[in-house]
Amino acid sequence: GENVEQHPSTLSVQEGDSAVIKCTYSDSASNYFPWYKQELGKRPQLIIDIRSNVGEKKDQRIAVTLNKTAKHFSLHITETQPEDSAVYFCALGPQAGTALIFGKGTTLSVSS
Amino acid sequence: EPEVTQTPSHQVTQMGQEVILRCVPISNHLYFYWYRQILGQKVEFLVSFYNNEISEKSEIFDDQFSVERPDGSNFTLKIRSTKLEDSAMYFCASSDGGRYNEQFFGPGTRLTVL
Repeated sequence: GENVEQHPSTLSVQEGDSAVIKCTYSDSASNYFPWYKQELGKRPQLIIDIRSNVGEKKDQRIAVTLNKTAKHFSLHITETQPEDSAVYFCALGPQAGTALIFGKGTTLSVSS
Repeated sequence: EPEVTQTPSHQVTQMGQEVILRCVPISNHLYFYWYRQILGQKVEFLVSFYNNEISEKSEIFDDQFSVERPDGSNFTLKIRSTKLEDSAMYFCASSDGGRYNEQFFGPGTRLTVL
């Protein structure tokens, strides 16, 4: 079945630095690429998503880029803050109503 | 802003017992899902439900699992005879069925099987 590889598994940055998390996938039919943030003991929260007809999307300090040819997409967080510390999951959504396939997660630690 | 809700937040049960996890999806959503997350691991898909039937299920969703929408608001996951390895956080999610697949997650039920 479809798989998504997520790297790195852990990422430690200083407050104010940028953080980049990358996911690669194999199924070219995927057309929806969300990113979820999960704080300890909480639900996964959708923070940003990108659709296959767009190469980049930005929302304040968070951006996502998509390279459909190379089959990878990345989350970029600029000016990191301690409250950005969490586990970040990428996911694939082939189409409406189908399963989201999640990556293994990246634990981001932002130290002040 | 409407949210998915789940009850109970924590369920402790003995191995072999039946459990029912409950979810109230966002009211105008059409697709409902169950996922599970074993502690420290990734979120795994169990089953999706649309138009009162299962639309997709994973290999995890075996005969011990069932889902039901008993009324217009609730969506339930039943585990018939729990095993130790069923211990996990179970998340319900829903989406509106639009072209893209924005799924919104509930707060989860932590299931502990002793």
